[in-house]
Amino acid sequence: QKEVEQNSGPLSVPEGAIASLNCTYSDRGSQSFFWYRQYSGKSPELIMFIYSNGDKEDGRFTAQLNKASQYVSLLIRDSQPSDSATYLCAPQGPGGYQKVTFGTGTKLQVIP
Amino acid sequence: NAGVMQNPRHLVRRRGQEARLRCSPMKGHSHVYWYRQLPEEGLKFMVYLQKENIIDESGMPKERFSAEFPKEGPSILRIQQVVRGDSAAYFCASSPGSGGGQPQHFGDGTRLSIL
Repeated sequence: QKEVEQNSGPLSVPEGAIASLNCTYSDRGSQSFFWYRQYSGKSPELIMFIYSNGDKEDGRFTAQLNKASQYVSLLIRDSQPSDSATYLCAPQGPGGYQKVTFGTGTKLQVIP
Repeated sequence: NAGVMQNPRHLVRRRGQEARLRCSPMKGHSHVYWYRQLPEEGLKFMVYLQKENIIDESGMPKERFSAEFPKEGPSILRIQQVVRGDSAAYFCASSPGSGGGQPQHFGDGTRLSIL
Protein backbone atom coordinates (compact mmCIF):
# COMPACT_ATOMS: atom_id res chain seq x y z
CA GLN A 1 0.00 0.00 0.00
CA LYS A 2 1.35 3.41 -0.96
CA GLU A 3 1.79 5.92 1.83
CA VAL A 4 -0.22 8.54 -0.05
CA GLU A 5 -2.69 7.64 -2.79
CA GLN A 6 -4.10 10.02 -5.33
CA ASN A 7 -5.91 9.34 -8.60
CA SER A 8 -3.41 10.39 -11.25
CA GLY A 9 -6.14 11.65 -13.56
CA PRO A 10 -6.42 13.59 -15.68
CA LEU A 11 -9.52 14.97 -14.06
CA SER A 12 -11.36 17.11 -16.59
CA VAL A 13 -13.93 19.66 -15.50
CA PRO A 14 -15.61 22.47 -17.43
CA GLU A 15 -14.79 26.05 -16.58
CA GLY A 16 -16.91 27.28 -13.69
CA ALA A 17 -17.51 23.82 -12.24
CA ILE A 18 -16.29 22.41 -8.94
CA ALA A 19 -13.17 20.24 -9.10
CA SER A 20 -12.85 17.62 -6.36
CA LEU A 21 -9.42 16.16 -5.67
CA ASN A 22 -9.07 13.27 -3.27
CA CYS A 23 -6.24 11.78 -1.25
CA THR A 24 -5.93 8.87 1.17
CA TYR A 25 -2.96 8.26 3.42
CA SER A 26 -1.75 5.26 5.37
CA ASP A 27 -0.03 6.83 8.39
CA ARG A 28 -2.73 7.17 10.99
CA GLY A 29 -0.48 9.45 13.00
CA SER A 30 -0.36 12.15 10.32
CA GLN A 31 -1.08 15.52 11.87
CA SER A 32 -0.90 18.20 9.20
CA PHE A 33 -1.90 18.06 5.56
CA PHE A 34 -0.64 20.26 2.77
CA TRP A 35 -1.87 20.73 -0.77
CA TYR A 36 0.58 21.90 -3.40
CA ARG A 37 -0.07 22.93 -6.99
CA GLN A 38 2.54 22.21 -9.64
CA TYR A 39 2.31 23.63 -13.13
CA SER A 40 4.08 21.67 -15.84
CA GLY A 41 7.80 22.35 -15.71
CA LYS A 42 7.51 24.43 -12.55
CA SER A 43 8.11 23.90 -8.85
CA PRO A 44 5.41 22.93 -6.33
CA GLU A 45 3.58 25.85 -4.76
CA LEU A 46 1.78 25.62 -1.41
CA ILE A 47 -1.91 26.48 -1.71
CA MET A 48 -3.61 25.09 1.40
CA PHE A 49 -2.96 23.34 4.68
CA ILE A 50 -5.29 21.83 7.25
CA TYR A 51 -4.77 20.35 10.70
CA SER A 52 -8.21 19.71 12.13
CA ASN A 53 -11.06 17.50 11.05
CA GLY A 54 -13.66 19.32 9.00
CA ASP A 55 -13.43 22.00 6.34
CA LYS A 56 -11.09 24.91 5.82
CA GLU A 57 -11.88 27.52 3.22
CA ASP A 58 -9.54 29.98 1.50
CA GLY A 59 -11.03 31.84 -1.43
CA ARG A 60 -12.10 29.34 -4.08
CA PHE A 61 -10.31 26.50 -2.30
CA THR A 62 -11.74 24.28 0.44
CA ALA A 63 -9.73 21.53 2.12
CA GLN A 64 -11.62 18.77 3.88
CA LEU A 65 -10.07 16.39 6.40
CA ASN A 66 -11.40 13.20 7.93
CA LYS A 67 -8.71 11.62 10.09
CA ALA A 68 -10.86 8.62 11.04
CA SER A 69 -11.15 7.70 7.37
CA GLN A 70 -7.58 8.85 6.62
CA TYR A 71 -8.93 10.99 3.84
CA VAL A 72 -8.23 14.55 2.77
CA SER A 73 -9.68 16.38 -0.20
CA LEU A 74 -9.40 19.68 -2.02
CA LEU A 75 -12.36 21.38 -3.66
CA ILE A 76 -11.84 24.12 -6.20
CA ARG A 77 -14.96 26.19 -6.85
CA ASP A 78 -15.54 28.15 -10.06
CA SER A 79 -12.66 26.33 -11.75
CA GLN A 80 -10.62 28.40 -14.16
CA PRO A 81 -8.34 27.29 -17.00
CA SER A 82 -5.46 28.70 -14.93
CA ASP A 83 -6.20 26.03 -12.31
CA SER A 84 -5.04 23.36 -14.77
CA ALA A 85 -2.08 21.80 -13.01
CA THR A 86 -1.07 18.78 -10.96
CA TYR A 87 -2.19 18.88 -7.34
CA LEU A 88 -0.01 17.15 -4.76
CA CYS A 89 -1.31 15.92 -1.43
CA ALA A 90 1.31 15.94 1.34
CA PRO A 91 0.56 14.59 4.82
CA GLN A 92 2.99 15.36 7.60
CA GLY A 93 3.48 12.51 10.01
CA PRO A 94 4.62 12.19 13.58
CA GLY A 95 8.00 10.87 14.43
CA GLY A 96 11.38 12.37 14.97
CA TYR A 97 10.97 15.27 12.63
CA GLN A 98 7.44 14.99 11.28
CA LYS A 99 8.34 14.01 7.75
CA VAL A 100 6.23 15.24 4.85
CA THR A 101 5.36 12.60 2.25
CA PHE A 102 4.16 13.67 -1.18
CA GLY A 103 1.59 11.86 -3.28
CA THR A 104 2.20 11.51 -7.01
CA GLY A 105 -0.50 14.05 -7.70
CA THR A 106 -3.74 14.43 -9.63
CA LYS A 107 -3.61 16.22 -12.95
CA LEU A 108 -6.51 18.64 -13.34
CA GLN A 109 -7.64 19.97 -16.70
CA VAL A 110 -10.18 22.80 -16.74
CA ILE A 111 -11.85 22.98 -20.13
CA PRO A 112 -12.83 26.51 -21.30
CA ASN B 1 11.92 38.80 0.36
CA ALA B 2 13.89 36.16 -1.51
CA GLY B 3 12.48 32.69 -1.65
CA VAL B 4 14.44 29.47 -1.94
CA MET B 5 17.21 30.02 -4.46
CA GLN B 6 18.58 27.19 -6.52
CA ASN B 7 21.36 27.31 -9.07
CA PRO B 8 22.03 26.59 -11.72
CA ARG B 9 18.56 26.40 -13.26
CA HIS B 10 19.83 24.09 -15.96
CA LEU B 11 22.91 21.91 -15.86
CA VAL B 12 24.28 19.74 -18.63
CA ARG B 13 26.90 17.10 -17.90
CA ARG B 14 28.47 14.25 -19.80
CA ARG B 15 28.41 10.76 -18.40
CA GLY B 16 31.12 10.30 -15.78
CA GLN B 17 31.31 13.97 -14.80
CA GLU B 18 30.29 15.48 -11.49
CA ALA B 19 27.21 17.60 -10.92
CA ARG B 20 26.91 20.13 -8.08
CA LEU B 21 23.53 21.62 -7.30
CA ARG B 22 23.19 24.51 -4.87
CA CYS B 23 20.34 25.64 -2.67
CA SER B 24 20.03 28.70 -0.45
CA PRO B 25 17.01 28.43 1.86
CA MET B 26 14.58 31.21 2.58
CA LYS B 27 15.70 33.75 5.14
CA GLY B 28 15.05 32.39 8.61
CA HIS B 29 14.83 28.79 7.44
CA SER B 30 17.37 26.33 8.78
CA HIS B 31 15.91 23.10 7.40
CA VAL B 32 16.59 21.98 3.85
CA TYR B 33 15.12 19.10 1.86
CA TRP B 34 16.13 17.74 -1.54
CA TYR B 35 13.74 15.97 -3.91
CA ARG B 36 14.14 14.41 -7.33
CA GLN B 37 11.40 14.40 -9.94
CA LEU B 38 11.56 12.35 -13.11
CA PRO B 39 9.40 13.43 -16.07
CA GLU B 40 5.72 12.68 -15.46
CA GLU B 41 6.50 11.27 -12.02
CA GLY B 42 6.05 12.42 -8.44
CA LEU B 43 8.48 14.05 -6.06
CA LYS B 44 10.85 11.56 -4.48
CA PHE B 45 12.40 12.54 -1.16
CA MET B 46 16.17 12.29 -1.11
CA VAL B 47 17.61 13.92 1.99
CA TYR B 48 16.81 16.28 4.86
CA LEU B 49 19.49 18.45 6.40
CA GLN B 50 19.91 21.03 9.10
CA LYS B 51 23.00 23.18 9.41
CA GLU B 52 26.02 20.86 9.51
CA ASN B 53 23.82 17.79 10.05
CA ILE B 54 22.19 15.18 7.86
CA ILE B 55 18.95 14.23 9.59
CA ASP B 56 17.45 11.77 7.11
CA GLU B 57 19.12 10.46 3.97
CA SER B 58 16.84 7.47 3.51
CA GLY B 59 15.93 8.51 -0.03
CA MET B 60 19.44 9.08 -1.27
CA PRO B 61 21.13 6.42 -3.42
CA LYS B 62 23.97 4.85 -1.46
CA GLU B 63 26.56 5.46 -4.12
CA ARG B 64 27.60 8.59 -6.03
CA PHE B 65 25.20 10.94 -4.21
CA SER B 66 26.05 13.14 -1.25
CA ALA B 67 24.62 16.24 0.38
CA GLU B 68 25.83 18.84 2.80
CA PHE B 69 24.58 22.00 4.47
CA PRO B 70 27.60 23.78 5.92
CA LYS B 71 27.54 26.37 8.66
CA GLU B 72 28.15 29.05 6.06
CA GLY B 73 26.87 28.97 2.52
CA PRO B 74 24.29 27.04 0.57
CA SER B 75 23.32 23.40 0.75
CA ILE B 76 25.02 21.31 -1.93
CA LEU B 77 23.76 18.15 -3.59
CA ARG B 78 26.65 16.40 -5.29
CA ILE B 79 26.36 13.65 -7.85
CA GLN B 80 29.58 11.95 -8.86
CA GLN B 81 30.15 10.01 -12.08
CA VAL B 82 26.74 10.92 -13.46
CA VAL B 83 24.79 8.47 -15.60
CA ARG B 84 21.89 9.03 -18.01
CA GLY B 85 19.42 7.90 -15.35
CA ASP B 86 20.37 10.89 -13.21
CA SER B 87 18.62 13.20 -15.67
CA ALA B 88 15.79 14.77 -13.70
CA ALA B 89 14.58 17.91 -12.02
CA TYR B 90 16.08 18.36 -8.56
CA PHE B 91 14.10 20.51 -6.17
CA CYS B 92 15.20 21.98 -2.92
CA ALA B 93 12.72 23.04 -0.24
CA SER B 94 13.19 24.78 3.08
CA SER B 95 11.20 25.27 6.25
CA PRO B 96 11.75 27.24 9.47
CA GLY B 97 11.53 24.06 11.50
CA SER B 98 10.42 20.49 11.22
CA GLY B 99 7.56 20.62 13.66
CA GLY B 100 3.95 20.11 12.83
CA GLY B 101 2.28 22.55 10.53
CA GLN B 102 5.42 24.05 9.05
CA PRO B 103 5.17 23.73 5.28
CA GLN B 104 8.09 23.40 2.95
CA HIS B 105 8.70 26.10 0.38
CA PHE B 106 10.27 25.08 -2.90
CA GLY B 107 12.88 26.60 -5.13
CA ASP B 108 12.54 26.65 -8.91
CA GLY B 109 14.64 23.52 -9.27
CA THR B 110 17.69 22.49 -11.26
CA ARG B 111 17.07 20.59 -14.47
CA LEU B 112 19.96 18.17 -14.90
CA SER B 113 20.57 16.70 -18.31
CA ILE B 114 23.16 13.99 -18.91
CA LEU B 115 24.54 13.60 -22.41
